[in-house]
Amino acid sequence: GAVVSQHPSWVICKSGTSVKIECRSLDFQATTMFWYRQFPKQSLMLMATSNEGSKATYEQGVEKDKFLINHASLTLSTLTVTSAHPEDSSFYICSARLAGGPSYEQYFGPGTRLTVT
Amino acid sequence: DAKTTQPNSMESNEEEPVHLPCNHSTISGTDYIHWYRQLPSQGPEYVIHGLTSNVNNRMASLAIAEDRKSSTLILHRATLRDAAVYYCILRDRGSNYKLTFGKGTLLTVNP
Repeated sequence: GAVVSQHPSWVICKSGTSVKIECRSLDFQATTMFWYRQFPKQSLMLMATSNEGSKATYEQGVEKDKFLINHASLTLSTLTVTSAHPEDSSFYICSARLAGGPSYEQYFGPGTRLTVT
Repeated sequence: DAKTTQPNSMESNEEEPVHLPCNHSTISGTDYIHWYRQLPSQGPEYVIHGLTSNVNNRMASLAIAEDRKSSTLILHRATLRDAAVYYCILRDRGSNYKLTFGKGTLLTVNP
């Protein structure tokens, strides 16, 4: 089956620094990738939709200058949390939609746990 | 997106069937019903989806009410590995494939 990986699986960074999270579709091409954030004991919240070769579409309330998304290829999207603060500590999850596939085929990565100290 | 209502939690015993309900009274004619589940500290996993007819796959069955205002995810024989949060999501056929997650149902499976 289709596999989505994320790197790193967990990261600790100091307040004020930036951290990049990678999302890769390992065995398929993904024209669309999605980035979610999940706080403890809460549901997933969609942050942005990332389309290959174009600018990401951010959900209302998500700061595009703080959460930089780049989708440079059909198998890689990156999320950079800039000037991270403790309140950005969360579980970040990406998903990828199979290019040309049925609309239900969306595969999720294992998530990246970010802790900002 | 139309909203869904699920119980916060449910319990089941191992090897028994589990019926997870979902109400979606404001569903529109173009909304697909999707179910995903999330195991602890993992990303969600696709379970099943349907539009009008009941659906079966190797993981589960999806029973959709005739008026489509409710649906039930059926796990035929629960195992300990089925313990997860189950999300019932409506996705408009015309949307950009976005999934809007609600709070879901936390399923506990007792040995």
